[in-house]
Amino acid sequence: AQTVTQSQPEMSVQEAETVTLSCTYDTSESDYYLFWYKQPPSRQMILVIRQEAYKQQNATENRFSVNFQKAAKSFSLKISDSQLGDAAMYFCAYRSFETGTASKLTFGTGTRLQVTL
Amino acid sequence: GAVVSQHPSRVICKSGTSVKIECRSLDFQATTMFWYRQFPKQSLMLMATSNEGSKATYEQGVEKDKFLINHASLTLSTLTVTSAHPEDSSFYICSARAGRTLYEQYFGPGTRLTVT
Repeated sequence: AQTVTQSQPEMSVQEAETVTLSCTYDTSESDYYLFWYKQPPSRQMILVIRQEAYKQQNATENRFSVNFQKAAKSFSLKISDSQLGDAAMYFCAYRSFETGTASKLTFGTGTRLQVTL
Repeated sequence: GAVVSQHPSRVICKSGTSVKIECRSLDFQATTMFWYRQFPKQSLMLMATSNEGSKATYEQGVEKDKFLINHASLTLSTLTVTSAHPEDSSFYICSARAGRTLYEQYFGPGTRLTVT
């Protein structure tokens, strides 16, 4: 079974600064997807960024980028130019490449990000 | 974009009663829907996966007779908490996956259940 570990329960960053959230995972599969989801106080889960394991290039979405290290099974999220609206719970998630019931997401325990002025 | 709705957003029920939560995909057909449970300050725990027209697959430790899941159409799945008890109080989130995209899951806004 796959596991996802987020070792930072809470992080804090000043507005306009950069912060990196860590995520490691364990799997025996070679093809899979990794995600970062944001859950603001409204509790609505929002997809931040996605990475396909077969792609060597790190995914980037505006101020959000990842550092995907497949051999190390590491998938960190970097938020640049942090904004107050970035304050939320961030979950790292793993999904098998297979379809069907194996397509379920496995979530990490989350990192609460505070953004200060 | 793909939108998933849940109804109700909040529900309070008495211990021993049953409550139904609806999850709808508004602008796409959801071949697969997922039901999660989230306790305060904790992660999402997958309860079950349902495919349209077939029985749900429950995760280990989830009582299928207590949490009844029906995925009767490509746009609607329901979760019924039967004989609810205070320990069932939680935040329930559904998500839906469209057949046309293999990886994307679209999440509903969640339902807060309080059992008194």
